[in-house]
Amino acid sequence: EVQLLESGGGLVQPGGSLRLSCAASGFNFSSYVMNWVRQAPGKGLEWVSAISGRGGNTYYADSVKGRFTISRENSKNTLYLQINSLTAEDTAVYYCAKDLGSGREFDRWGQGTLVTVSS
Amino acid sequence: SYELTQPPSVSVSPGQTATITCSGDKLGDKYVCWYQQKPGQSPVLVIYQDNKRPSGIPERFSGSNSGNTATLTISGTQAMDEADYYCQAWDSSTGVFGGGTNLIVL
Repeated sequence: EVQLLESGGGLVQPGGSLRLSCAASGFNFSSYVMNWVRQAPGKGLEWVSAISGRGGNTYYADSVKGRFTISRENSKNTLYLQINSLTAEDTAVYYCAKDLGSGREFDRWGQGTLVTVSS
Repeated sequence: SYELTQPPSVSVSPGQTATITCSGDKLGDKYVCWYQQKPGQSPVLVIYQDNKRPSGIPERFSGSNSGNTATLTISGTQAMDEADYYCQAWDSSTGVFGGGTNLIVL
């Protein structure tokens, strides 16, 4: 069974940093594009970032480019998101999502980890 | 930047057909997928590549995409289908979600 388990969220002050992790199991992790998607409280879904199976290609939403860094450690079946220079607008539940196989759809999602940016 | 537009809410009676639209410039040239999200839960993929259903998704869910509009259709809508629905596509290696549609079954 595919499982995705995010961790690393919490309360952080404006300008601060966090590293989110997503532990994957139940599938051949290195064969799939992985994504981060976030959802601000009471708002819709926002795609944040994607990384290819081997990690050589990364993609970012304009809203996070230059502040967020996606990475993966295939030997540990783990996806990461380093988030820096946080503002209140980054407050959201951050989900990791597995690609279906075509690079376009997210067929499995984690339960999410909440990042709250506040002083 | 590319935008996808959905109606904020759609109402349907149980057993009737619900139609949720998603509009974007030349959207028919892209693949569209749809996610269902119930309160407090993570999203679930219900349609991918415009009209394909993942394993385990009921046949009452179907999709289409042409011109500037993609459509999610739920036939014989059930109370359990009440949820938020999001369309999603890609533009220049950037993922784009619609704003979401709250489906109300009453």
